Amino acid sequence: DVKVTQSSRYLVKRTGEKVFLECVQDMDHENMFWYRQDPGLGLRLIYFSYDVKMKEKGDIPEGYSVSREKKERFSLILESASTNQTSMYLCASSLGASGSGADTQYFGPGTRLTVL
Amino acid sequence: RKEVEQDPGPFNVPEGATVAFNCTYSNSASQSFFWYRQDCRKEPKLLMSVYSSGNEDGRFTAQLNRASQYISLLIRDSKLSDSATYLCVVNRAGTALIFGKGTTLSVSS
Repeated sequence: DVKVTQSSRYLVKRTGEKVFLECVQDMDHENMFWYRQDPGLGLRLIYFSYDVKMKEKGDIPEGYSVSREKKERFSLILESASTNQTSMYLCASSLGASGSGADTQYFGPGTRLTVL
Repeated sequence: RKEVEQDPGPFNVPEGATVAFNCTYSNSASQSFFWYRQDCRKEPKLLMSVYSSGNEDGRFTAQLNRASQYISLLIRDSKLSDSATYLCVVNRAGTALIFGKGTTLSVSS
């Protein structure tokens, strides 16, 4: 079974703090993704990576950055947390290219971040 | 047209009922289609992939109509445990997937 783990289930931070969310997958997947999920807005893609040291902006990258130094690990960084970044953050990974079933995404359990 | 659009529901049905969810997508170049299930306060999990010929997995049947850019999910003989939010998912160019906002199903006894 694919296993995607996230460093924290719940996190409380203060406005202006730098926040690191870590994600690790154990299936040698090429692609990794960060989403946030908010009521009424669904899942929105923040950033994704299709290879080590590669990153692509998703639909809402503003206020976030990412790092992928190792294939199994993908970090989401909030440089200066703000209250509107309070959300559920979900990490996912997939094996490979689209159209082959290899783009099926497997999710971690999520981190519920509250910024005060 | 939104990239992926679903009726949010909620659908409230009794046990044993048959229920159908529909989804439309805007990108005619999309190649991958899925239904995911998300339980309250949990992560989304793959329910089934959707193939052009249609596919069935037990009580669940998925259909794809490329000409109309339309995907459906049929659940027969609903169980209490089917209560969840069902997400329609379509790939964008490359490896990114676009998730619909979900349709909520509540099955009651």
